[in-house]
Amino acid sequence: QKEVEQNSGPLSVPEGAIASLNCTYSDRVSQSFFWYRQYSGKSPELIMSIYSNGDKEDGRFTAQLNKASQYVSLLIRDSQPSDSATYLCAAARQLTFGSGTQLTVLP
Amino acid sequence: DTGVSQDPRHKITKRGQNVTFRCDPISEHNRLYWYRQTLGQGPEFLTYFQNEAQLEKSRLLSDRFSAERPKGSFSTLEIQRTEQGDSAMYLCASRGGYQETQYFGPGTRLLVL
Repeated sequence: QKEVEQNSGPLSVPEGAIASLNCTYSDRVSQSFFWYRQYSGKSPELIMSIYSNGDKEDGRFTAQLNKASQYVSLLIRDSQPSDSATYLCAAARQLTFGSGTQLTVLP
Repeated sequence: DTGVSQDPRHKITKRGQNVTFRCDPISEHNRLYWYRQTLGQGPEFLTYFQNEAQLEKSRLLSDRFSAERPKGSFSTLEIQRTEQGDSAMYLCASRGGYQETQYFGPGTRLLVL
């Protein structure tokens, strides 16, 4: 079992819809979780970090963490074509990344 | 631009040659990380420095790989006797103080022919 697993993609949503990206992790000790966005050929850029159970909102993005279920999610509201990218979930300090979910937002 | 720079951005080499990559972190960041990313995968942790001390190395870092951060500022990653399987994007990230967030550089894309 991989330490961080993301829901298989690719994921396509129409413009304006909500995109839901999911991630599970196996290391119960992990306290810090991150969502990075990566455009093709570019390096990852941080979107959200979350450390406590519950929701954290930043603009159109909401991260959700459930430590009991070892589950992290990212919701993107009012999806835009510019959101089309690979989204990487990562846990802990020496970041352990999932393989990413490729999101396409269709105009 | 996160403030982390890497050089070169692209490197093409022949199998068996040695290559060296450089990373300059954000100036006040004392923690520096190297990752490798292959197509369709997330970045994989290679090694971690706090100041000049190399505190952790992944088992992915074979004896052909060596990393240094001699003065606690920039870092170098050297791959000796490159193999075609070393072809990947090599990413550097830095983190400061009590921050949890790592900021990535643009990466060095290596192609071994």
